Amino acid sequence: DTAVSQTPKYLVTQMGNDKSIKCEQNLGHDTMYWYKQDSKKFLKIMFSYNNKELIINETVPNRFSPKSPDKAHLNLHINSLELGDSAVYFCASSQGTILYGYTFGSGTRLTVV
Amino acid sequence: GNSVTQMEGPVTLSEEAFLTINCTYTATGYPSLFWYVQYPGEGLQLLLKATKADDKGSNKGFEATYRKETTSFHLEKGSVQVSDSAVYFCALQDEKLTFGTGTRLTIIP
Repeated sequence: DTAVSQTPKYLVTQMGNDKSIKCEQNLGHDTMYWYKQDSKKFLKIMFSYNNKELIINETVPNRFSPKSPDKAHLNLHINSLELGDSAVYFCASSQGTILYGYTFGSGTRLTVV
Repeated sequence: GNSVTQMEGPVTLSEEAFLTINCTYTATGYPSLFWYVQYPGEGLQLLLKATKADDKGSNKGFEATYRKETTSFHLEKGSVQVSDSAVYFCALQDEKLTFGTGTRLTIIP
């Protein structure tokens, strides 16, 4: 049973399209996150939700919109995709304390052509 | 704000060599510190952690000690294997998890 699962694993799309990435966790965690990893492997937090409520919203273009239908799911919708959006997107979840770290999904590699 | 600075890579070592990857941090408060590992084509896995000063985290032969006086959390392993080849990330957590830039490690037989 995968703890944090993301779909799809790979996504190739044209500029200007709209796409979504889905994430689900079965760990019973209250907090979920989206991170972006660029081509140099740098990881930056984008959003965080706690029990369906947005708690962290870093400087991310408005084209990116997270949605959390329940505390086990956090989806990422991206409008009007640009070349610079190409990256690996990781979903993660945590128990909401600083003691245990985060559990990450295996990532979605997005390529915009 | 909080930040993590880790050793620039890439690092290439021979099998059975001693490994050190340096990590220093800047933080207000009392964060927890972590090392994560990313194997090729995979997500991030928690390698080890320390939640307070002088704690030592250890796992799979890797160790790191939370040093408040030097604001450091250096990763060490006494004898590396080819299977340790990966990218290693130092991270600190208070309200969110903040990563260093990652260090690519390659072990050659």
